[in-house]
Amino acid sequence: GAVVSQHPSRVICKSGTSVKIECRSLDFQATTMFWYRQFPKQSLMLMATSNEGSKATYEQGVEKDKFLINHASLTLSTLTVTSAHPEDSSFYICSARRGMGYGYTFGSGTRLTVV
Amino acid sequence: GESVGLHLPTLSVQEGDNSIINCAYSNSASDYFIWYKQESGKGPQFIIDIRSNMDKRQGQRVTVLLNKTVKHLSLQIAATQPGDSAVYFCAETGGGNKLTFGTGTQLKVEL
Repeated sequence: GAVVSQHPSRVICKSGTSVKIECRSLDFQATTMFWYRQFPKQSLMLMATSNEGSKATYEQGVEKDKFLINHASLTLSTLTVTSAHPEDSSFYICSARRGMGYGYTFGSGTRLTVV
Repeated sequence: GESVGLHLPTLSVQEGDNSIINCAYSNSASDYFIWYKQESGKGPQFIIDIRSNMDKRQGQRVTVLLNKTVKHLSLQIAATQPGDSAVYFCAETGGGNKLTFGTGTQLKVEL
């Protein structure tokens, strides 16, 4: 079956620093990858959609200069949280899709804590 | 700090009973719906899906019902087990590529 690997699973960083999260599709090529953020006891909120080789499309209210997304290959997308602050602490989850008509495969998530 | 949000609605059931988790959606263009299970600290796990040209689909111990007239989706879990305890989310595509999640329901299975 389709497998998505997300790394790291947990990260603690100091306020003001940047953190990169990787999302890899291990056994399929993902034309589209999605990034979500989830606060405790809440649902997954879509942050952005990225298609391989093109700029990501961000949801309303998500700062594109703060959450940098790169989808340079069909198997890898990265999310960089720049100048992280404590309010960015959250659970970040990626999802990958082979294409329209295919299912969505989720990574295991990254717990980001900014201190 | 983190946003303060609403607590997830909770459904408590006895082990062995059937569980029914409900979801309402608003986008009449939605044509693909998925139920996910999420355990604490993990990503969502696919349970079952249904397309808008169907009103019922069954899997192993799970059934999804879709009522497009009232924009309602339900997940039925037969003979609920302790391992079914988790948060359950419905999600829909709105007719496009983006997957939007519902608010979620915490299922607690009591022994």
